[in-house]
Amino acid sequence: NAGVMQNPRHLVRRRGQEARLRCSPMKGHSHVYWYRQLPEEGLKFMVYLQKENIIDESGMPKERFSAEFPKEGPSILRIQQVVRGDSAAYFCASSQPGGPETQYFGPGTRLLVL
Amino acid sequence: AQTVTQSQPEMSVQEAETVTLSCTYDTSESDYYLFWYKQPPSRQMILVIRQEAYKQQNATENRFSVNFQKAAKSFSLKISDSQLGDAAMYFCAYRNPYTGANSKLTFGKGITLSVRP
Repeated sequence: NAGVMQNPRHLVRRRGQEARLRCSPMKGHSHVYWYRQLPEEGLKFMVYLQKENIIDESGMPKERFSAEFPKEGPSILRIQQVVRGDSAAYFCASSQPGGPETQYFGPGTRLLVL
Repeated sequence: AQTVTQSQPEMSVQEAETVTLSCTYDTSESDYYLFWYKQPPSRQMILVIRQEAYKQQNATENRFSVNFQKAAKSFSLKISDSQLGDAAMYFCAYRNPYTGANSKLTFGKGITLSVRP
């Protein structure tokens, strides 16, 4: 009974490169959320997706960030032309529709921008 | 917009003792969900307990229980018989009752709990 999977667990990029973070939800879950955690901070919502649809992207920076959740395969959070301020832990959570829709989190991807 | 406040940045408890972590929130909704998540040094986010606002009974999960005061918009976590493995950062989170847009979690800044042997 695998939980939410995220890869890579650690990612190092130089300024200007692209970062691609992957998230596979729990089995039976069709909703994916991405959150960002800056050092010594709580998690901040970025985007909420269902298969092939972006439902809420109110927390996504307007530039350089994009997310997708294709019909087949994992959800991907892409950061283009990374800057040092993008260094953070990025968490993916999944839920299934109905009821409290409790979100279960993956282990996170730690992005370090040099 | 909803807000979640955890005003205590750090707390410490003696092993086997009881500790209470505080959380307040602000919302205009009458129905919603509240959560406590634990983040140990591995930084994995682990669900500790969940409370539905329409339920008057406080949620309990083994050594973890909540004191949910809806009128005061307070949602504290009590950890009984504290263990060394309870040492972690604890986040309080709020969620609207909606499906679809606006179903995100809003987190507090967290509290670091240390457990003294």
